Formats: sequence, structure tokens, C-alpha cells
Amino acid sequence: TQLLEQSPQFLSIQEGENLTVYCNSSSVFSSLQWYRQEPGEGPVLLVTVVTGGEVKKLKRLTFQFGDARKDSSLHITAAQPGDTGLYLCAGEGGTSYGKLTFGQGTILTVHP
Amino acid sequence: KAGVTQTPRYLIKTRGQQVTLSCSPISGHRSVSWYQQTPGQGLQFLFEYFSETQRNKGNFPGRFSGRQFSNSRSEMNVSTLELGDSALYLCASNPGQTLRGQYFGPGTRLTVT
Repeated sequence: TQLLEQSPQFLSIQEGENLTVYCNSSSVFSSLQWYRQEPGEGPVLLVTVVTGGEVKKLKRLTFQFGDARKDSSLHITAAQPGDTGLYLCAGEGGTSYGKLTFGQGTILTVHP
Repeated sequence: KAGVTQTPRYLIKTRGQQVTLSCSPISGHRSVSWYQQTPGQGLQFLFEYFSETQRNKGNFPGRFSGRQFSNSRSEMNVSTLELGDSALYLCASNPGQTLRGQYFGPGTRLTVT
């Protein structure tokens, strides 16, 4: 059974601070995906990383896939109140046909 | 393009009843996956359908079933509802290619009393 451990579970910071969310597993994934979910809505795909060591940037968000494709991180620079939400990492195997293994999520609150 | 739509958005059922949830994927997407989200267990995979065939199934009891129609729309059914089935049920669609991410609908909030 593939498991993803996401940390921290909760993060409460002030506007302008930087933060990093980690996603770790003992299993190798073909891809690691990051989602953001707001209350009452479904998760929204932020990024998919596929290659070991890959780094992707999305404005103030930087996503990294570990060299061994077992871990990933999400770094937010100069957080804003609009970044508040539930951040989820999800791993996908090469032939898993739509089956994503999700981490438990990180609830981020950015205070003005 | 319109996003993934799910109906109904909210549902209240009694223990022992059955329920059917509906999902319409993004136009052109042939893969539909279903997930259950609860505060305790997080997001858990139920099953995935592609071209009317179930390709993958999670570790849920047989009370949970699904199907996909020729227009890619999908339904999931839960029979003999239990209190523990109370959850947000999410549907996600994908063109059918792996490693490209999933596009989720807003979910159906099911409450079992």
C-alpha cells in the first residue's frame, strides 16, 4: 500500500512570510500532483511533476519533486491571505488508472 | 469548457437506504474517478471508469458501485447506507491519460442519519 505523509498538518502565518509544505513516501510515484481545496469545493489542480529533481514555478509557488520520486515540496514565497486553503499532495503510479494516493493535507491560514 | 458537474450537491439519507450520485465530466474526458473525503480518512479512491469499463478499484466494500455511460457520464451507488458513509463524494475527470492530473467537481455532500 502506497502512503503519503504530508506535513505540517496545520500552518498559521502572517502575510508576507514564506512557508514550505512537505510530502514524503517510502514508495516511488510516477507523478506527484498538488491540489488546493477551498471549503465547499473540490480540489483544484495546481501542478503535476513527473521527472525526478523537477522544479516547477507558478507565480509565488515553487514545487519540487525529489530525485528518487518519493517526495515533493511546495514552497510559497510572501504568502497572501488569498493563499489560505487546504493544500493536498497526491501521488500517481504509472498504471494506476486514475487512482491517486492523497496525503492528509495541510490547512494553511494566512493572516493579514 | 464547462467543468465537472455533480448532482445533487447535498443529500440527506437514512441508514439502510440507498443513494445514487451523478457526475458529468469535462467534455472530451473519457476517464472518471470517484473519491470519498472525510475529516478522519482524508481523500480515498473509490473507483475509475474509462470507456464504460472499470479499470481500477479502491478498498471499499461491495456496497459501493459505479458505472459509466457511453457519453462518459458516471454514476455511483451506495446501498444499505451506514452512518460512516457520511462524506463528501468527489468525482474527477481526465482525458484518459495518466500523469496529467485530475479535474474535480464540487462534490456531493452526503449525510446519513
